[in-house]
Amino acid sequence: QVQLVESGGGVVQPGRSLRLSCAGSGFPFRSYGMHWVRQAPGKGLEWVALISYDGSKKYYADPVKGRFTISRDISKNTLFLQMNSLRLEDTAVYFCAKDHDISGNYYYGVDVWGQGTTVTVSS
Amino acid sequence: DIQMTQSPSSVSASEGDRVTITCRASQGISTWLAWYQQKAGKAPKFLIYAASSLQRGVPSRFSGSGSGTEFTLSISSLQPEDFATYHCQQTKSFPLTFGGGTKVEIK
Repeated sequence: QVQLVESGGGVVQPGRSLRLSCAGSGFPFRSYGMHWVRQAPGKGLEWVALISYDGSKKYYADPVKGRFTISRDISKNTLFLQMNSLRLEDTAVYFCAKDHDISGNYYYGVDVWGQGTTVTVSS
Repeated sequence: DIQMTQSPSSVSASEGDRVTITCRASQGISTWLAWYQQKAGKAPKFLIYAASSLQRGVPSRFSGSGSGTEFTLSISSLQPEDFATYHCQQTKSFPLTFGGGTKVEIK
């Protein structure tokens, strides 16, 4: 079945870096855009970033622009989120998610989510 | 950026009730809106896309409507498994943005 499994979360000090991974299976990974979405404790969902199916286009939320980098390795069916200069407010559960639309228009939302990986930024 | 506002932030209802949740966009987004259901400690579940299209496998008691700046998610007859938090998301332009969520609680 279609599955996304995140890893790489942990506790990190402010200003340090962390790299999240998300392994996809059960669908043609190379054909879909992929997202990262986060949820701070007790808060709503916040979209973080999108990478197009071929990696040629990347979009970011303003709070992470210039600090986070989304990438993918199609040969390994894996999505990444490199997080640099981490701040206290980056503390959240990070979900990777598959775009619903294979055409690459990104108009239809995300239809498959991973279980999430927890990132805690604390001194 | 497009701001999404959900109301109410929480609603108490009984099994069998009809529940309606509203999502407003700060500017017109046509019908580029998705809805998700999230239970405590779990990942969100995809319910509706393009404002009114039901994702495969989602029960027909869920429905979505609206266009432009005002949208609704309705649950026609609330079931025990429907008690959860519901999120809307505009998918018209980047950055994609979510509403603050609506918690549907047991009365």
